[in-house]
Amino acid sequence: GAVVSQHPSWVICKSGTSVKIECRSLDFQATTMFWYRQFPKQSLMLMATSNEGSKATYEQGVEKDKFLINHASLTLSTLTVTSAHPEDSSFYICSARDHGTRWNEQFFGPGTRLTVL
Amino acid sequence: AQSVTQPDIHITVSEGASLELRCNYSYGATPYLFWYVQSPGQGLQLLLKYFSGDTLVQGIKGFEAEFKRSQSSFNLRKPSVHWSDAAEYFCAVGKTGTASKLTFGTGTRLQVTL
Repeated sequence: GAVVSQHPSWVICKSGTSVKIECRSLDFQATTMFWYRQFPKQSLMLMATSNEGSKATYEQGVEKDKFLINHASLTLSTLTVTSAHPEDSSFYICSARDHGTRWNEQFFGPGTRLTVL
Repeated sequence: AQSVTQPDIHITVSEGASLELRCNYSYGATPYLFWYVQSPGQGLQLLLKYFSGDTLVQGIKGFEAEFKRSQSSFNLRKPSVHWSDAAEYFCAVGKTGTASKLTFGTGTRLQVTL
């Protein structure tokens, strides 16, 4: 149990276009989801915390107008990178928190590699 | 603010040898501590976690970690490493009472030689 999926697993896009990444909790309800960004050979940096039915909370330095997060249901959160540029190329990982008995743990998706040309 | 330090960027061990990966944290209260493993191009898999109680925590794949409050450490150990353990290992700290706002260390890349 506690499986989190991401789609797509990798995407290549042209500079200036927008890209949407989906994060789904497959076998549990996640009222809270998290989006991380990981640069090559570096650690994960929390970008934002997404709560179902409310606006996301962004970490300092993360542009909320560039990284749009929507958490419309208990099993789906989306991250849209708007007007993507090469510097947005990165590995994006989501995680979800089960508000049931496993409330104190985050379950991570497999990640999405974004390459902006 | 909470922080995590993993002083070893890269470690190489021989298969069958023992392993210890270091993790030091900074947090004002009793932290929630985690070790995750990441294979190339993959997400993170939880190896073990510490919230309270017994300071020696057993995890999956034969890993264990010991919480030492006096040293602000949570080192990961394995008595005998397998070639499949080669991966990136991340230590993380979370706020007491919640799994939110995890802060990750910079990771330790483990290489296993045959």
